[in-house]
Amino acid sequence: AQTVTQSQPEMSVQEAETVTLSCTYDTSESDYYLFWYKQPPSRQMILVIRQEAYKQQNATENRFSVNFQKAAKSFSLKISDSQLGDAAMYFCAYRGPNTGNQFYFGTGTSLTVIP
Amino acid sequence: DTGVSQDPRHKITKRGQNVTFRCDPISEHNRLYWYRQTLGQGPEFLTYFQNEAQLEKSRLLSDRFSAERPKGSFSTLEIQRTEQGDSAMYLCASTPLGGQAYNEQFFGPGTRLTVL
Repeated sequence: AQTVTQSQPEMSVQEAETVTLSCTYDTSESDYYLFWYKQPPSRQMILVIRQEAYKQQNATENRFSVNFQKAAKSFSLKISDSQLGDAAMYFCAYRGPNTGNQFYFGTGTSLTVIP
Repeated sequence: DTGVSQDPRHKITKRGQNVTFRCDPISEHNRLYWYRQTLGQGPEFLTYFQNEAQLEKSRLLSDRFSAERPKGSFSTLEIQRTEQGDSAMYLCASTPLGGQAYNEQFFGPGTRLTVL
């Protein structure tokens, strides 16, 4: 099975500053998809951003962007202009092309935003 | 609300009892997934359905667990003879088959199970 590693259990950032959350993964496949999900204290997972492995261009969604390094199997999330509402657990997830669409999740990073 | 819904949101039970959870996916989503999330961990895949067919089961899904999706719409997850180790959040997710959204999963709020 694929493994996803998030080495930062907790991170904190000052409001309006930038923070980067790390994620690495292990796979032998060349085609796959990577995701960052946010899980606020209410516990419902929300998609933040996704990246197709065949695309070289890094995905961006407003204040959220990724740094996708396919050769290094690295997929970090950058949050710019951090807001109080960004405080949550962030999970990195991997989905292969032929695995029944199941996700493999990392253990998560708890992000605190300091006013 | 057109999102994924789960019922109940919280369940407290005594060890040895049976429990059943329900998930209603987004309308017309063909695929439905169950995950288990324990404290401090990411969700772990349990099983998934395409329409009414259960296509894959994780080794985490012991013989005390059974899931159904009889009409290809809502799904139920039953745990028999609950154990304290079953205490977790059980998440349901759905996704349409094909199309732009094929690669995304939409999650419900989860059912938190506490086994005393």
